[in-house]
Amino acid sequence: QVQLVQSGSELKKPGASVKVSCKAPGYTYTAMNWVRQAPGQGLEWMGWIDTNTGNPTYTQDFTGRFVFSFDTSVSTAYLQINGLKAEDTAVYYCARDRWDLWGQGTLVTVSS
Amino acid sequence: EIVLTQSPGTLSLSPGERATLSCRASQSVSSRYLAWFQQKLGQTPRLLIYAASNRAPGIPDRFSGSGSGTDFTLTIRRLEPEDFAVYYCQQSGTFGRGTKVEIK
Repeated sequence: QVQLVQSGSELKKPGASVKVSCKAPGYTYTAMNWVRQAPGQGLEWMGWIDTNTGNPTYTQDFTGRFVFSFDTSVSTAYLQINGLKAEDTAVYYCARDRWDLWGQGTLVTVSS
Repeated sequence: EIVLTQSPGTLSLSPGERATLSCRASQSVSSRYLAWFQQKLGQTPRLLIYAASNRAPGIPDRFSGSGSGTDFTLTIRRLEPEDFAVYYCQQSGTFGRGTKVEIK
């Protein structure tokens, strides 16, 4: 079930940054996961953020250019990708800690 | 790092048939964190099974999960037309590469 609300599609040039938001109105959670799905490919877990402490954890392939954050004032999780590359073109999903609620996905396209 | 190997890559079956999907972990894992997801084309993944054998709310009982240690199985008892999709197993966040169940 899609019950988290993500921001809309983005078209960016190589080298730019993008920030994707994810809001879970009315739901409780202690962590938010981020998942990437490149065109025609499978699901890749990028990591998660502890929404109580703001501490992010990144999986091996997503260190360096990827930044998770959480704004407690608006109960919104964010994924920022810096130094965008063509290979970052993908749909990015957020999913609650229990993996039972997902966002609708945000398509990020990187093209010159 | 645990690697999940799903087999087969593609399963070609007819509606009404039984589907058996395998997920093998590179080392023994806790069943507590083994889940299965369904993703239809162009849609968001949906949680089917958690803790290896527990159906998520609203999931039909034709879906069942089993296994322990390194070997886990998702069984779809009688395929319905809406069950043709890609299925992923997941262990503590890490996903397998998926099994596509297609109409024969």
